[in-house]
Amino acid sequence: AQKITQTQPGMFVQEKEAVTLDCTYDTSDPSYGLFWYKQPSSGEMIFLIYQGSYDQQNATEGRYSLNFQKARKSANLVISASQLGDSAMYFCAMRGSPPGGKSTFGDGTTLTVKP
Amino acid sequence: EPEVTQTPSHQVTQMGQEVILRCVPISNHLYFYWYRQILGQKVEFLVSFYNNEISEKSEIFDDQFSVERPDGSNFTLKIRSTKLEDSAMYFCASRGQGRNTGELFFGEGSRLTVL
Repeated sequence: AQKITQTQPGMFVQEKEAVTLDCTYDTSDPSYGLFWYKQPSSGEMIFLIYQGSYDQQNATEGRYSLNFQKARKSANLVISASQLGDSAMYFCAMRGSPPGGKSTFGDGTTLTVKP
Repeated sequence: EPEVTQTPSHQVTQMGQEVILRCVPISNHLYFYWYRQILGQKVEFLVSFYNNEISEKSEIFDDQFSVERPDGSNFTLKIRSTKLEDSAMYFCASRGQGRNTGELFFGEGSRLTVL
C-alpha cells in the first residue's frame, strides 16, 4: 500500500521569499514516481514536477525544485521567489511500479503568499 | 497543447437519479482514471482503466459506479443512483506511456451536486 503524508495544512510565505512544502511517503514498491500538483481556487489540477525513485538528481522545473531524500522517504517541494499567483493548494502524489497504476494523493497544503 | 476535456462542468441532480460524467482523454494516452474531491478535501482515487477494462478500483467504487469507453475516445463515469454524499468534484485524468510521461493530465473537473 502507498501512503502520502503532508503535515502542513496551511503555510504562509512573504512574496519573493522561498518556501518548502513537506511530503513524506511510504511504499513497498521498489520503483515509484513522486509528483507535485497545484490546485488554484479555480479548481483545476496542474502538474508541477516529477521525481523518479531511481533519479540521481533532484528534479527542477523553473522556480520549482524537489528535494528528494530517498532514505528519509521525503519529497519536499521548494518554491523559490514566491509570487502572489502561487497561492493555491499543493498536493504531493505517488505512483507505484505498474505504469498504469493509480496515484495516491496527500491531504494537501494550502499556501498563501503575502504581499 | 492536448488536453483532457470533461462535460458537464456542473450538474445538479436529485438523489436517486442516474448521472453520466463524460471525459475525452488525450488521444494517444493509454491509461485513464477517475478521481473525486469532496470540497476542500483530498483527491481520492476511484478507478483506473486500461486496455478496455478496469485495472484497479477503490473501496469507494462500489456497485453504483461504472465506467465505459464506448467509442475509443470518450471515457464515461456512470453513477446509477446518486446519494447526497456523492456530491463532489469528479476529475478525469489520463496518462501516457514511458517514464517521462508519468504525470497525470487532469481535466477541469465536473462538479456534481446531489440534492
